[in-house]
Amino acid sequence: DGGITQSPKYLFRKEGQNVTLSCEQNLNHDAMYWYRQDPGQGLRLIYYSQIVNDFQKGDIAEGYSVSREKKESFPLTVTSAQKNPTAFYLCASSRSVADTEAFFGQGTRLTVV
Amino acid sequence: QKEVEQNSGPLSVPEGAIASLNCTYSDRGSQSFFWYRQYSGKSPELIMSIYSNGDKEDGRFTAQLNKASQYVSLLIRDSQPSDSATYLCAVNQDDSWGKLQFGAGTQVVVTP
Repeated sequence: DGGITQSPKYLFRKEGQNVTLSCEQNLNHDAMYWYRQDPGQGLRLIYYSQIVNDFQKGDIAEGYSVSREKKESFPLTVTSAQKNPTAFYLCASSRSVADTEAFFGQGTRLTVV
Repeated sequence: QKEVEQNSGPLSVPEGAIASLNCTYSDRGSQSFFWYRQYSGKSPELIMSIYSNGDKEDGRFTAQLNKASQYVSLLIRDSQPSDSATYLCAVNQDDSWGKLQFGAGTQVVVTP
């Protein structure tokens, strides 16, 4: 089945640690995105990538980093510089950046303990 | 700051009735508009996309777009308890390919 797989579903981080969230897609989509959702709020764009080896900052990129070494994969690292990392993280993809019909993975819920 | 505004709800709708959800946006150059359904604790699911003024129907869902008024709406006919969810309006940003701006969502509760 084609789709977007995020792992893990739940992640706990100690303060001061970096953690990496995985996102893999087999839809042959060029564009991939990372969003953050806080309770009662809409999604906010962290980073997006149009093609392999290219990515752009979104609206709230501070404290996050990404890489796009393969078309299928777009991992997100939440660094210790991110002051409020507890949130629901959503990865999405679309055929291209010009085609903004985006499809989401099941999400990773990150909690700082 | 470009904005997408939705009533937060909850919007309580009797089973079998029509649910009407509204969304306004500030970016006059936006061309693509989407409605996502999100169940509690789950990821958003795309249910409708609309690109031209007017109505677009898909099953029990109808999206309506009025670019002059910067307004997009979603109608859910014959509402079912399974329609109880938060509905997110998303709009592409005209000056940044690939960037969707999301509203905070409207919670819909369908009562039997």
